[in-house]
Amino acid sequence: GESVGLHLPTLSVQEGDNSIINCAYSNSASDYFIWYKQESGKGPQFIIDIRSNMDKRQGQRVTVLLNKTVKHLSLQIAATQPGDSAVYFCAENDSGNTPLVFGKGTRLSVIA
Amino acid sequence: DTGVSQNPRHKITKRGQNVTFRCDPISEHNRLYWYRQTLGQGPEFLTYFQNEAQLEKSRLLSDRFSAERPKGSFSTLEIQRTEQGDSAMYLCASSLVANEQFFGPGTRLTVL
Repeated sequence: GESVGLHLPTLSVQEGDNSIINCAYSNSASDYFIWYKQESGKGPQFIIDIRSNMDKRQGQRVTVLLNKTVKHLSLQIAATQPGDSAVYFCAENDSGNTPLVFGKGTRLSVIA
Repeated sequence: DTGVSQNPRHKITKRGQNVTFRCDPISEHNRLYWYRQTLGQGPEFLTYFQNEAQLEKSRLLSDRFSAERPKGSFSTLEIQRTEQGDSAMYLCASSLVANEQFFGPGTRLTVL
């Protein structure tokens, strides 16, 4: 079936560097995308979302980029901090009206 | 803390026993979702409600699973005759229609 997936399962970055986490999706009908952060033993925490009528959206230290042509989504974290260490999931659905389909996740490790 | 609460946080049970989990969503949210997450995987959709109506059930939701949201507020998820394969984190999320889903901390189920 159609699914959301990730290019890299693990990512290690130095504290202060920028992080880029990538995600590919295959459902061309998807038009709403979300990034979640999940720390050990906790539920996923909303980071940022983007709808398909945009190709970039910025939050506090985070930017999400959407390339609908190649069905690719990325999360950029500026000045990565130890507290950013977690597993990051991208998820997608249709107009926010259907259940989310999650990818497998990327573990981000920040080296102090 | 997202405002979504789940109880209990941990449940250990013997195979064949019944278990029930509770989710209290953010009060003004009319949608409530149940997901299941196993180690190293993203959450997988089980079922969701809009107000008290159960709108969709995943194929993952066998006939041993039942969910209710009787008054359109809190929800319960019951698993009958638990099996070892039911061991997972059960996550609840709530949202307003067509908006981001906020997750609770999850209930970790261990079936011995």
